[in-house]
Amino acid sequence: EVQLVESGGGLVQPGRSLRLSCAVSGFTFDDYAMHWVRQAPGKGLEWVSGISWNSGSRGYADSVKGRFTISRDNGKNSLYLQMNSLKPEDTALYYCAKDGSGVLVGNWFDPWGQGTLVTVSS
Amino acid sequence: QSVLTQPPSVSGAPGQRVTISCTGSSSNLGAGYDVHWYRHLRGTAPKVLIYTNTNRPSGVPDRFSGSKSGTSASLAITGLQAEDEAEYYCQSYDSSLRGWVFGGGTKLTVL
Repeated sequence: EVQLVESGGGLVQPGRSLRLSCAVSGFTFDDYAMHWVRQAPGKGLEWVSGISWNSGSRGYADSVKGRFTISRDNGKNSLYLQMNSLKPEDTALYYCAKDGSGVLVGNWFDPWGQGTLVTVSS
Repeated sequence: QSVLTQPPSVSGAPGQRVTISCTGSSSNLGAGYDVHWYRHLRGTAPKVLIYTNTNRPSGVPDRFSGSKSGTSASLAITGLQAEDEAEYYCQSYDSSLRGWVFGGGTKLTVL
C-alpha cells in the first residue's frame, strides 16, 4: 500500500523557520518526482513546490520563492520542505504528493498524504 | 483570483448529470498542457478523478468523465449520488508561472 505521511507542522512565530517532512512507502521513491501543495483556511489548493526524482530540477510558486527550499533523501524515502521567514499567510494544511512520473512535466499528483498543519502567528 | 477559473458551486438532484467547467489561457490549457481533476473533502487527502484530460484511474466509477478543448476543460458526473458531495478542483501546468496551477474549486451539492 502506498503511504505518504507528513510531519513537522506546528505553531510558529512570523519570521521563524520550520521544516516539514514526508515519509513515503509502498513505491520506488526515487522513480518519481514529488510535490508540496497547501490549503489555507477557507481557500483552495495551491501548489507550493516540486522536485524531480534525482533533485536535478526544482520549482517553486512565486509566493514562496526565496523563502522555501524543497529537498529529498532517496536513501531515506523522504521529502522535505524547509520554510524560512514564515509569514501569517503561510498558515495552511501542507500536503505532500507523488507525481505521475520522475520529471517535472505537468503530470497529475497521486496519491496525496493527509497533510500537516502549519500555523504562523505571534 | 485563480489562474484556472471554475464555478464556485454546482448542484443537482440524485441521478442527474452535472458538469464543472475549468477555463484557462494560452499559457496553460491553451498551450497544450494536460488537465487533471481532483475530488477533495477539506482536511482529507485529495484524490485524483481524471488524469491527462480524459483518463480514469482504476477504482474511479465511469460516472466520472473528462474532456478538454482549447483553453477549456470539463468534468462530467452522471447518476449523481449523495456521496459525490465534495469540492472538485482542476489542475494544469502554466508555462508563464513555471509551475502547477489549480482552479479555485467547485463545491458540488447533491440536492
